[in-house]
Amino acid sequence: EPEVTQTPSHQVTQMGQEVILRCVPISNHLYFYWYRQILGQKVEFLVSFYNNEISEKSEIFDDQFSVERPDGSNFTLKIRSTKLEDSAMYFCASRTGGPPSEQYFGPGTRLTVT
Amino acid sequence: QKEVEQNSGPLSVPEGAIASLNCTYSDRGSQSFFWYRQYSGKSPELIMSIYSNGDKEDGRFTAQLNKASQYVSLLIRDSQPSDSATYLCAVNLFSGGYNKLIFGAGTRLAVHP
Repeated sequence: EPEVTQTPSHQVTQMGQEVILRCVPISNHLYFYWYRQILGQKVEFLVSFYNNEISEKSEIFDDQFSVERPDGSNFTLKIRSTKLEDSAMYFCASRTGGPPSEQYFGPGTRLTVT
Repeated sequence: QKEVEQNSGPLSVPEGAIASLNCTYSDRGSQSFFWYRQYSGKSPELIMSIYSNGDKEDGRFTAQLNKASQYVSLLIRDSQPSDSATYLCAVNLFSGGYNKLIFGAGTRLAVHP
């Protein structure tokens, strides 16, 4: 069964460094998402991406964040200058182009900023 | 602010019993509703979706939706210890042709032998 994959599974970085989190969505899916979950808190929407552009972003997704689909398979989330409060699990999700609208999540990347 | 509310639990049920999980949402225009299961340290795993008022059954799981009351529930029949996890209710906000999920904080379910 096709699934969303994410790399790395765990990333440790120092405050102020740039990180890139990678995702390979399910191959026939057209909509891509990033969510994050700070330890012990809710899963929060960050950004949605369709047709090679951002379709919606949350208040969390400020200028330090960017997304890209550099080729036909990868979908990346870049954090330019990490802060301590960026420490969280980051989940990539994808869905097909039409109904049903179920989103399928990858295994996540645990980002630890020290 | 669109909200999804769940009782945080823990909800403790004996093995073989029915577990009942509840969720309310604030956006009356929401059209799609989902239940995800999340084991500790893992990602959300989709277990049920529901779009219309009424019940939807899939194996041991039944999702119930009442849009007038803005209420979604999940019943797990014949609960097993492996069902012990946090169950996340998610509501799909459809805006401008795109979708984003708003999650509740989750209900922790503990099934004891």
